[in-house]
Amino acid sequence: GDSVTQMEGPVTLSEEAFLTINCTYTATGYPSLFWYVQYPGEGLQLLLKATKADDKGSNKGFEATYRKETTSFHLEKGSVQVSDSAVYFCALEKYDYKLSFGAGTTVTVRA
Amino acid sequence: ETGVTQSPTHLIKTRGQQVTLRCSSQSGHNTVSWYQQALGQGPQFIFQYYREEENGRGNFPPRFSGLQFPNYSSELNVNALELDDSALYLCASSPDRGGETQYFGPGTRLLVL
Repeated sequence: GDSVTQMEGPVTLSEEAFLTINCTYTATGYPSLFWYVQYPGEGLQLLLKATKADDKGSNKGFEATYRKETTSFHLEKGSVQVSDSAVYFCALEKYDYKLSFGAGTTVTVRA
Repeated sequence: ETGVTQSPTHLIKTRGQQVTLRCSSQSGHNTVSWYQQALGQGPQFIFQYYREEENGRGNFPPRFSGLQFPNYSSELNVNALELDDSALYLCASSPDRGGETQYFGPGTRLLVL
C-alpha cells in the first residue's frame, strides 16, 4: 500500500541554520505530496504542496520539490527561526482522497 | 470565517465504555475526514464523509463509526473502548473531497484507562 517514510527526529538546530527533513514515498500512480506542520497545542496546518512531478511547493521560506525519479519530497529552509520549532509531517494523497502521513519529525530551534 | 472546531478538547474514559467526539466543519465545507494520531505517530485515516455519506474508510474496526449531519458537522463514535484507542483524534473539513484542501481542527485528546 501507499506509505510515507520521513527522517527520524528529533532535530535540534541553532537559529539561522539550514534545515532539511527527508521524505520518501511509496505509491503507485501519481500522488499529490504535502508537508504539514503541527505547532505545540495546535492542529495540523498545510505548509506546502506539490501535485505533479518537478513541481516545487514553497511557503514561509520552506521549499520542497516533487522528485518522481527518487520518489522524494524533501523539505528545506535556508535559515530557521525559533518560531519554526514544531512537528513536521510529510503526506501523500491519491484519488481516494485520504491523506497518508509519515511519522513526523520534531524540530527544535534554539536561540 | 470560523475554522474547524472540535469538542471536547480532552476526555478520559475507561476500557469498554463508548465515546462520541464532535466536529464543526468550516463554513461552506461539505466533506469531513477523521484521523487518529497516536503519541509520536503520524495521523491515520479513519474515514471520510461527503454530503452525509461515508466516502472511504481506513483500516479501523467497525466499532469506529461516524455520522455527518445536514449542516455538515460530524460525529465520531467509538464503542467498546480499548487502551490502544488513546490518541489525539483530528477532524478535517474541506470544500470538496480533495485532501489538498483539508483544514484540520485542534483535535480531541482521548485517554482510555
